[in-house]
Order: sequence, then C-alpha cells, then structure tokens
Amino acid sequence: AQSVTQLGSHVSVSEGALVLLRCNYSSSVPPYLFWYVQYPNQGLQLLLKYTTGATLVKGINGFEAEFKKSETSFHLTKPSAHMSDAAEYFCAVSDRDDYKLSFGAGTTVTVRA
Amino acid sequence: KAGVTQTPRYLIKTRGQQVTLSCSPISGHRSVSWYQQTPGQGLQFLFEYFSETQRNKGNFPGRFSGRQFSNSRSEMNVSTLELGDSALYLCASSLLSGRGQPQHFGDGTRLSIL
Repeated sequence: AQSVTQLGSHVSVSEGALVLLRCNYSSSVPPYLFWYVQYPNQGLQLLLKYTTGATLVKGINGFEAEFKKSETSFHLTKPSAHMSDAAEYFCAVSDRDDYKLSFGAGTTVTVRA
Repeated sequence: KAGVTQTPRYLIKTRGQQVTLSCSPISGHRSVSWYQQTPGQGLQFLFEYFSETQRNKGNFPGRFSGRQFSNSRSEMNVSTLELGDSALYLCASSLLSGRGQPQHFGDGTRLSIL
C-alpha cells in the first residue's frame, strides 16, 4: 500500500511570498499523484494531478507541482501567496492498479498580511 | 453542472444507533468513493462503488457498509455506532473507476456520536 508523507503540518507565509508544500510517496513505481485543498467546513477541491507526460503540472489558482521520480516527490508551489490561499492542503496518490486515494496528513497554510 | 451532493450535512446520533448517509454524484459519473476524515487518523478510504458493484474496500469493520443504485447514487450505512465513528464522511465521484481519474468531493456529512 502507498504511503504519503507531507513535511510540515503547518506552514505560515507572508502575503506575496512563495508557497512551498512538500509531498513524498513511497512506491517505486510512479503512482498517480494529486493535490487537493480543503477550506473550513467544505469538502476537498482538486488543485492539480499528475498521471503521465510532462512532469511540471499546472493547476488552478496559480498552483503548480513538479513530479520528480528520482526523489519520489510531488511538491506544490505558488509563486505569490494570497490571503485566500489559507486552507489545508492534501497530497494524495493512487497506485496504477488500484482505485483508492491514499492521503497525506495534510498541511495547514496560514497567510500573514 | 451540479457538484457532488451529500445529505444530511450534520447528524447527531447516540452510541448503538445506526445511520445512513446519502451521496448524489455529479451527473454522468459512475464511480462513487467514500472517505472518513478525523483529526487523529486523517483521511481514510472506506469503499468504492462502480456500476452498483463494490470495487475496493478499506480497512474498516463490517459495521460500515454501502451500496450504489442504478442511477449511481450511493448510500453508506454505519451500524452499532461507537464514539470513535464521529467524523466527517466525504463522498467523491469520478467519471470512471480509478486509474488516475480525478475524484470530485462533496462537502461531507459531519457525524457526531454522543
């Protein structure tokens, strides 16, 4: 079974600063990779996904992530944080022969004015 | 296009009771998955249904069950409720089953057990 590690349960950034959220997965075979965001009292919203092809993936709201097979990583970045980015972010993976998502523990982002 | 709809949004039950949660997927989506979210355990997969068949099941006791109807709507049932069942239950739908299909989540049903 896949395991997903998100480094840092809380990240605090200033408005306009770079947002970097780290995600590492355990499989030796590259899985499908996803980033989701959750706002208070809401479900999860898909930010972006990687299945095959280009390793730099662009998502919604200015986020992007890079798949690095050699590092088994899929870190999420946004060049300039906005107050509306304050939320909890989840990295998720699914094996290529599986149907379920395995989630990381989540990273809560706060944005300072 | 309407998103995934979960009802009810909030539910309060007592230990020993049973509960049924409902999920209506996005129109045209045939796969429905259920997840449990708690502060201690995070997001955990419960089960996935596709064309009325359970395709995959997580590591939960048999008190947790589900089904899917011919219109792709799904229900989840928890019997003999325990305090530890208090959680946000999330339903997600996708066009097809697994294999990298993005899952679209509802806003969840928050279940509190007294």
